Amino acid sequence: DSGVTQTPKHLITATGQRVTLRCSPRSGDLSVYWYQQSLDQGLQFLIQYYNGEERAKGNILERFSAQQFPDLHSELNLSSLELGDSALYFCASSVGTVAEKLFFGSGTQLSVL
Amino acid sequence: GENVEQHPSTLSVQEGDSAVIKCTYSDSASNYFPWYKQELGKGPQLIIDIRSNVGEKKDQRIAVTLNKTAKHFSLHITETQPEDSAVYFCAASNGVRNTGNQFYFGTGTSLTVIP
Repeated sequence: DSGVTQTPKHLITATGQRVTLRCSPRSGDLSVYWYQQSLDQGLQFLIQYYNGEERAKGNILERFSAQQFPDLHSELNLSSLELGDSALYFCASSVGTVAEKLFFGSGTQLSVL
Repeated sequence: GENVEQHPSTLSVQEGDSAVIKCTYSDSASNYFPWYKQELGKGPQLIIDIRSNVGEKKDQRIAVTLNKTAKHFSLHITETQPEDSAVYFCAASNGVRNTGNQFYFGTGTSLTVIP
C-alpha cells in the first residue's frame, strides 16, 4: 500500500458529462501529481500541485481542471467528456516540489460511453 | 520537452534468466531517472532510481546503469522470478527546486517470466 488513496476506483459516465476524481496524498506529502494512462499514450503528466498551488502543468486539456485543498487532498475535474477521455487516471504524491520519489495511488478507471 | 523512448515493448524470459530494458532520453538537463513497476490493477511502484552524477546503482537483483553522454539508461533484472512479471516504466525528470518538475515516462515494457 503506497499510502495514496484515490476514489472512486471505477467511474462510468456518458459523453458530455462532468466527473470529479479525488486523491488523498501520503501523510506528510505536500505535492500531488495527476497522470492519465491510456493504452496508446502511456503515462501522461497532467498537472502538479504543491501545498495548494499549481507548480507544473503538462498536457492537460482546457476541459480538465484540478485543485489542491488546505487539507492537501486534490480533485481532478473532467468536463464535457468525450469517448477519448476514457483512461486510467492516477494520482501520485511526493514530499516536496522536486519529486525524487513518487508514490502512486491505485487509480480511477474512467469509462466514457 | 523531454522525449523518453523505451524498448522493448514486450519481453519474455525463462525463470532464472536476466532481463534488460533500455531507455533513451532527449533532454540533457534531465538529472533523475527512476524505474517503476506496475502490476495488474495497481499503480506504478518505484523500484530503483539513479541520479545523473552516478553511473550505476544496484539493489539486490535489480540494477540500473546510466550513460549521460549517450543519453541512455537501462534496467537489469537478474535471476528473474515469476513475481517479476509486470509492466516496467522508465522515466526522466529535470526537476528544478521551487519551480516544480515533470516526469516523462517511457511507454512501458511488459515483462513475462515463464516458470
